[in-house]
Amino acid sequence: DAGITQSPRHKVTETGTPVTLRCHQTENHRYMYWYRQDPGHGLRLIHYSYGVKDTDKGEVSDGYSVSRSKTEDFLLTLESATSSQTSVYFCAISAQDTQYFGPGTRLTVL
Amino acid sequence: QQQVKQSPQSLIVQKGGISIINCAYENTAFDYFPWYQQFPGKGPALLIAIRPDVSEKKEGRFTISFNKSAKQFSLHIMDSQPGDSATYFCAASVQGGKLIFGQGTELSVKP
Repeated sequence: DAGITQSPRHKVTETGTPVTLRCHQTENHRYMYWYRQDPGHGLRLIHYSYGVKDTDKGEVSDGYSVSRSKTEDFLLTLESATSSQTSVYFCAISAQDTQYFGPGTRLTVL
Repeated sequence: QQQVKQSPQSLIVQKGGISIINCAYENTAFDYFPWYQQFPGKGPALLIAIRPDVSEKKEGRFTISFNKSAKQFSLHIMDSQPGDSATYFCAASVQGGKLIFGQGTELSVKP
């Protein structure tokens, strides 16, 4: 897992509540990514970071925000969760052109 | 132009057979083409990758074939085993930047 952990691993929440997912890496990589995985869509990039406090939008960023105050932590926040955000969320780091993924967080929004 | 199209969506192969998964892209600036393998409940893991300066790369039973003129690349799994049953994703990127993923292929290898 290239020293990547995600928390929580599973979460069930209700529509309209805020949710924060955490990605933690131990190897000081500069680039970090958040993806969502849905059947038939593969992996779609939500946001990414290229350094502390440096972030940018991906393909499906609406409804999501991110923060990176330390190299090792990249947070994904759903300000007001919706049922369409039910998905499996993966964090990844980039090392030598290759991305390495964390174990994922399964989020269910009721 | 940023899309990567992957087929088939699902594939059933007998043990010992050859599994073939295909991907096509439009952006000629892509210069890195990895394949990822994902088991249920796990994150995707890099399986094998190729750059467009070669037409084929082989690692054990896994081979990537790359056709630059057709803008296509494929994954071949020789002597497929039940343990190869997983979801496979192709991807592409430009100069180590953001990866664009295909839609995924669910492979089932029957004993």
